[in-house]
Amino acid sequence: GENVEQHPSTLSVQEGDSAVIKCTYSDSASNYFPWYKQELGKRPQLIIDIRSNVGEKKDQRIAVTLNKTAKHFSLHITETQPEDSAVYFCAASGAAGNKLTFGGGTRVLVKP
Amino acid sequence: DAGITQSPRHKVTETGTPVTLRCHQTENHRYMYWYRQDPGHGLRLIHYSYGVKDTDKGEVSDGYSVSRSKTEDFLLTLESATSSQTSVYFCAISATGTSISYEQYFGPGTRLTVT
Repeated sequence: GENVEQHPSTLSVQEGDSAVIKCTYSDSASNYFPWYKQELGKRPQLIIDIRSNVGEKKDQRIAVTLNKTAKHFSLHITETQPEDSAVYFCAASGAAGNKLTFGGGTRVLVKP
Repeated sequence: DAGITQSPRHKVTETGTPVTLRCHQTENHRYMYWYRQDPGHGLRLIHYSYGVKDTDKGEVSDGYSVSRSKTEDFLLTLESATSSQTSVYFCAISATGTSISYEQYFGPGTRLTVT
């Protein structure tokens, strides 16, 4: 089955700086890669996703890049703000697309 | 919040007792999922359903069973709860009707403690 590894496990950045989280996956047939943000005590919220036919996708201050050859994808948050502090999870779909395998999560702390 | 509710939201139970968690959705989504979330492990898929009476195992299915007799309800049962099943359980949905949509949206979660 699919295996997803996520790094780093914790990330501390100064407000206004950028944050980058990286994930690798094992199943070359995976075709969908979402990112979730989870605030303390809340449900995971889908913030951005990318499909395997696209190399990069942006939404305001967040962007995701995908390298299918190397089987890794990354989340980039620019101009970080205190409200970006949360745990972020990456996931990969596997070949079928309807099952997600999640990475272990990255705890991001944005210091004012 | 994609019309997903979970009940109960919190439960404390004793080792060896049966427990059933309910996920209810109001928008006729085809796919429903049960995950557990534990520190250091992210979210792990327990079981999922792709239609009424159609279910399949995920990566951590041992000790759990599921049922889906109606489109809107997906039940997760722990036949005999153990302390290792103390966790936060999330339900998720994906897709509307018969079309495939990859995005998954999560319910509010159920915190289960097995003493």
